[in-house]
Amino acid sequence: GDSVTQMEGPVTLSEEAFLTINCTYTATGYPSLFWYVQYPGEGLQLLLKATKADDKGSNKGFEATYRKETTSFHLEKGSVQVSDSAVYFCALRGTGGFKTIFGAGTRLFVKA
Amino acid sequence: EAGVTQFPSHSVIEKGQTVTLRCDPISGHDNLYWYRRVMGKEIKFLLHFVKESKQDESGMPNNRFLAERTGGTYSTLKVQPAELEDSGVYFCASSPWTGSSYNSPLHFGNGTRLTVT
Repeated sequence: GDSVTQMEGPVTLSEEAFLTINCTYTATGYPSLFWYVQYPGEGLQLLLKATKADDKGSNKGFEATYRKETTSFHLEKGSVQVSDSAVYFCALRGTGGFKTIFGAGTRLFVKA
Repeated sequence: EAGVTQFPSHSVIEKGQTVTLRCDPISGHDNLYWYRRVMGKEIKFLLHFVKESKQDESGMPNNRFLAERTGGTYSTLKVQPAELEDSGVYFCASSPWTGSSYNSPLHFGNGTRLTVT
């Protein structure tokens, strides 16, 4: 079945450092790919998405490119801020259904 | 617009007791989902409603879990009797029904943290 694997955390960075959170997936066909973020005390919210191969999703300085050849959707940000500290979830939804499959989440700590 | 709301935010119950979680989706969202995250692991799908109908309940762990969505508005998830392994954070999410729902993002509530002792 469909699955998502993302790098284990926690990831600890200093402010202004470069961030990469790896995400790979297994799915048939061409799923839609998502990154969700959960800030402390809140629910998950959509950060960005991509719906077809080579699409780049971007939001709030974060980017991720849908790579069909490597089945990956890595999240990147050039300069993180303390306010980016949160848990990040990679997710996919296949074209055949409505179920969204999530990874285990990666906790990010950004130090001032 | 009001977001997805869940109640209660926390619940602590003893093994064998019953707990009912409630979710109010965003008004007009026909799709409603329940998910669960246990011990920092992946968020697992439980079930999906389209209006009042169960579209997919393949993720429900066992018959101790019962979800309803009478009238196609709010939903409840009842656990009876609760076991220790039911502890976790239960999330509700909703999305509108569109022709391309497969790429519509989910709108999540803040979750209910359930602790079974």
